[in-house]
Amino acid sequence: RKEVEQDPGPFNVPEGATVAFNCTYSNSASQSFFWYRQDCRKEPKLLMSVYSSGNEDGRFTAQLNRASQYISLLIRDSKLSDSATYLCVVTNAGNMLTFGGGTRLMVKP
Amino acid sequence: NAGVTQTPKFQVLKTGQSMTLQCAQDMNHEYMSWYRQDPGMGLRLIHYSVGAGITDQGEVPNGYNVSRSTTEDFPLRLLSAAPSQTSVYFCASSYSTGRDGYTFGSGTRLTVV
Repeated sequence: RKEVEQDPGPFNVPEGATVAFNCTYSNSASQSFFWYRQDCRKEPKLLMSVYSSGNEDGRFTAQLNRASQYISLLIRDSKLSDSATYLCVVTNAGNMLTFGGGTRLMVKP
Repeated sequence: NAGVTQTPKFQVLKTGQSMTLQCAQDMNHEYMSWYRQDPGMGLRLIHYSVGAGITDQGEVPNGYNVSRSTTEDFPLRLLSAAPSQTSVYFCASSYSTGRDGYTFGSGTRLTVV
């Protein structure tokens, strides 16, 4: 079983739609949680950190459920420019990143 | 600030050749790491460093060496290139607290023929 699991997609949604991604992690000692965005043939870029209290950044909302070892990302009012692969990432006690396989999002006109 | 700079961006090697992938950061980050990304495999940790003079192995270290003589630089050496090392390599750095996530370089696309 992979340490961080994501549905690979692709999720094909129309502009303006709301889309949600989920991620589960197996290491209960994981300490920090992030969503990264990766465009085709580019480096991953930090989208947002994820906290148990939930956090929002514009159209993006992230949530962490430590009891269920579950992380979510909600994107509202999808834009064409949101098309990318979204990577769920956790860190262990040594602050090393463990990546999920990524979920591909395609937003269509 | 330049952030994390990787060179070269592209490289083609013949089997058995050696080379060094360069990585430099100007953010005074303590932690640096190297990942490789292969289709269907996601990003996997090769080696990492928590500070100058300290390195350790990640998930897939075989065939690679690293050193960290300064805070800024973290080169990755391929000792004897093999076709299985064809991949995209990313260097990343962060503060030791980790709460701000890692910053990635733009990557090196390596092909071994």
